[in-house]
Amino acid sequence: KAGVTQTPRYLIKTRGQQVTLSCSPISGHRSVSWYQQTPGQGLQFLFEYFSETQRNKGNFPGRFSGRQFSNSRSEMNVSTLELGDSALYLCASSFSYTGELFFGEGSRLTVL
Amino acid sequence: QKEVEQDPGPLSVPEGAIVSLNCTYSNSAFQYFMWYRQYSRKGPELLMYTYSSGNKEDGRFTAQVDKSSKYISLFIRDSQPSDSATYLCAMLNYGGSQGNLIFGKGTKLSVKP
Repeated sequence: KAGVTQTPRYLIKTRGQQVTLSCSPISGHRSVSWYQQTPGQGLQFLFEYFSETQRNKGNFPGRFSGRQFSNSRSEMNVSTLELGDSALYLCASSFSYTGELFFGEGSRLTVL
Repeated sequence: QKEVEQDPGPLSVPEGAIVSLNCTYSNSAFQYFMWYRQYSRKGPELLMYTYSSGNKEDGRFTAQVDKSSKYISLFIRDSQPSDSATYLCAMLNYGGSQGNLIFGKGTKLSVKP
C-alpha cells in the first residue's frame, strides 16, 4: 500500500511570493491534516479536511489555506510568504479519529 | 502551563542501554496516547498507541500511561543506533478530531555504538 506522498519535497521562495503544496493520502483515507513543524514550536496543527470539507482549523493567519479534492488529495497554499513561514510542512492522512496519523515525508519550505 | 510538556533533550546513551522518554500533560480529558518516531528529514511514524491507562509492549518498546499522575512514558530496551531519532508524544481526548491532537515538542535521542 502506497504511503502519503507530498510534493515538492524542497522549495525556496522569497518574501511576498505564494506557494502551493500537494498531498496524496493513503488510499481509503478520507481525512487529511496539515501540520507546520519548526524547531522552536514543534508540530502545529494547520487544518484538517474530510470529504472535501474543512473540519478543523488551527491558529494560523488567513494566509494559510487549503482544500481537498473528491479523490481525497489535498493542497495547501500560503500567500504573501514571510520569513517565519520557513518550516517543514507535513501532511497526514487517517482513517479514524483516534490519533493514528500516517505522515508524508514533508515539504521543506525556505523563505528568503 | 502547556497542555503537553516533553523534555527536548538531546539524550545520548550507549548501545544496549535502557532508554526512558517521558511526557506530562495537564488535560485530564486525554484518553488516547501515542508515541511517534521521527528520523531526520522524514515525517513522523506511529510507534506506539495506548487507550486510557496501562502498559503496552511491542518488542523492545513499552508504553506506559499513568492518568492519575498525568504522565506517560516510552521505554526502549537494548537500544540500538537505529533508534536514534526524535520521539514525539501525542494525546487526544475521546471524541476529539485530529484538530484536537496535541503533540509534545519531541525528545532527540542518540544511541552511540
